[in-house]
Amino acid sequence: NAGVTQTPKFQVLKTGQSMTLQCAQDMNHEYMSWYRQDPGMGLRLIHYSVGAGITDQGEVPNGYNVSRSTTEDFPLRLLSAAPSQTSVYFCASRVASGTYEQYFGPGTRLTVT
Amino acid sequence: AQSVSQHNHHVILSEAASLELGCNYSYGGTVNLFWYVQYPGQHLQLLLKYFSGDPLVKGIKGFEAEFIKSKFSFNLRKPSVQWSDTAEYFCAVNAASGTYKYIFGTGTRLKVLA
Repeated sequence: NAGVTQTPKFQVLKTGQSMTLQCAQDMNHEYMSWYRQDPGMGLRLIHYSVGAGITDQGEVPNGYNVSRSTTEDFPLRLLSAAPSQTSVYFCASRVASGTYEQYFGPGTRLTVT
Repeated sequence: AQSVSQHNHHVILSEAASLELGCNYSYGGTVNLFWYVQYPGQHLQLLLKYFSGDPLVKGIKGFEAEFIKSKFSFNLRKPSVQWSDTAEYFCAVNAASGTYKYIFGTGTRLKVLA
């Protein structure tokens, strides 16, 4: 049981490039989400999904796309990277009801130059 | 709109000192409350949570938190910190009425001196 996995661990992009951050979970959790963590700002929700085929925006969705074709996977796409997207990105998942505890992945540190 | 405030951004303590980290939230309804910890270079882990019942909840590693509804607070405490408690601590709120969204505080960086 690997929990929540994320790839890559580190990434450097040039302004304007696109890329996809991968997130997968093997706990059959319905809910998945993406956060970005910036110094002094805590974690801010980018996008979330309550099940396969259903996604919605969080606090800071601009510049990011998501899709959820399977329960396990929830990739985050950066369409045209900007320096303001330099951050650490965390994926999280949880069951739809019950303890409401979120399980976090190890994070992806992204630098946009 | 929901919000979470953590007033202590950086805390430095010596080993064996007592710890209290403040967390206040803004929301008019029933909430679920959490403290997460992030050790250096690691991902966030749940420290403790409150849903209902006894307002004093105990978590892992000797941490506890008290929910005071009248003050909209959920402060984290530990009687005697250790060097290994050096980490960043995040308070989070989730509305109990079914919305998925969590709101996180800005975090408190704790450094414990050996």
